[in-house]
Amino acid sequence: KAGVTQTPRYLIKTRGQQVTLSCSPISGHRSVSWYQQTPGQGLQFLFEYFSETQRNKGNFPGRFSGRQFSNSRSEMNVSTLELGDSALYLCASSFDGGDDYEQYFGPGTRLTVT
Amino acid sequence: AQRVTQPEKLLSVFKGAPVELKCNYSYSGSPELFWYVQYSRQRLQLLLRHISRESIKGFTADLNKGETSFHLKKPFAQEEDSAMYYCALSLGQGAQKLVFGQGTRLTINP
Repeated sequence: KAGVTQTPRYLIKTRGQQVTLSCSPISGHRSVSWYQQTPGQGLQFLFEYFSETQRNKGNFPGRFSGRQFSNSRSEMNVSTLELGDSALYLCASSFDGGDDYEQYFGPGTRLTVT
Repeated sequence: AQRVTQPEKLLSVFKGAPVELKCNYSYSGSPELFWYVQYSRQRLQLLLRHISRESIKGFTADLNKGETSFHLKKPFAQEEDSAMYYCALSLGQGAQKLVFGQGTRLTINP
């Protein structure tokens, strides 16, 4: 089956702008998680959505938000971009049922803020 | 607070030598620990998790609650093991929030 896809793969934005990233999970997966990866902070959990509801949240400011649609596709939005938001944003999907909760990662969206 | 520490950023060993990637965690509850691997130009993928107690690609990892460690081991390294390895902590079975260590880049020399 097709893996997790993320669009766009690369993005360049200017400080103060906003950006929306998209994630399509593996078919049948109900949970989508988002992570930010930077050289300095490593991989950090942003939030997780399950059945269109945010179920877990990391320690990021309110400028970072997300949502999940009825088909489990998810988007994350970052408003008022700062230089420090430059990172690789990873999405992971999981079936999350029974004992099947392995997270499958997408290739990531590389965001550069100038 | 939950924390995962991988003390080695870089680890280099010769082919055929034993490998041990260290991971220590800090969590007061019942953790679930994972090892993820990222090969060159590939996605991050699950290597193994402590609850399954299985060996994947010759790698094993044992959860030591007394030492709060989950070290990854392989008796004989192969060149294809060269990759970035991340230890991760999940806050309870099935919880989708993963806390990652900073990662260890493993290089296997021929």
